[in-house]
Amino acid sequence: EPEVTQTPSHQVTQMGQEVILRCVPISNHLYFYWYRQILGQKVEFLVSFYNNEISEKSEIFDDQFSVERPDGSNFTLKIRSTKLEDSAMYFCASLYTFGSGTRLTVV
Amino acid sequence: KNEVEQSPQNLTAQEGEFITINCSYSVGISALHWLQQHPGGGIVSLFMLSSGKKKHGRLIATINIQEKHSSLHITASHPRDSAVYICAVQKTSYDKVIFGPGTSLSVIP
Repeated sequence: EPEVTQTPSHQVTQMGQEVILRCVPISNHLYFYWYRQILGQKVEFLVSFYNNEISEKSEIFDDQFSVERPDGSNFTLKIRSTKLEDSAMYFCASLYTFGSGTRLTVV
Repeated sequence: KNEVEQSPQNLTAQEGEFITINCSYSVGISALHWLQQHPGGGIVSLFMLSSGKKKHGRLIATINIQEKHSSLHITASHPRDSAVYICAVQKTSYDKVIFGPGTSLSVIP
């Protein structure tokens, strides 16, 4: 069964540092998404990406966030200057198939 | 107001019990998903429904589009079923998934 692969599984970073979360979506899929889940809360939509462009973003997805598909296979989420409140589980999805997530801890 | 609601929030059952988790939503949808999340966090898709009923092993999912309601049933529950079960909807086929708050299920031996 096709899979969405996310790396790393866990990342610890200092507040103010930039982080890049990586995802390899299902090949031949065109719609990709990032979601996040703060501990103890529900999963929230961040951004959707179609045809190499952002198609929708939530109010959470402010200027410190960006997404890219740099090489036609990887799909990345960059957080420019991390804050403590960015600590969460981040999920990548190809349509409605989810990756196993990256747990980001900002210290 | 949350577009997807679930009940109960928490559920404890004895092994072997029949379990029902309910989901109601307030928007028009093209599909409803039932997802499972284990401690450690990964999300696994159990069902995608647009009408009727689906069954996979001991799990059954139903949806009533007119009433905007879905249920997930687990027959002969087992401790390995312990997880968070999440109802989620899509308004259109390629739209983002809107998540419910989840139901935390614990099955005791």
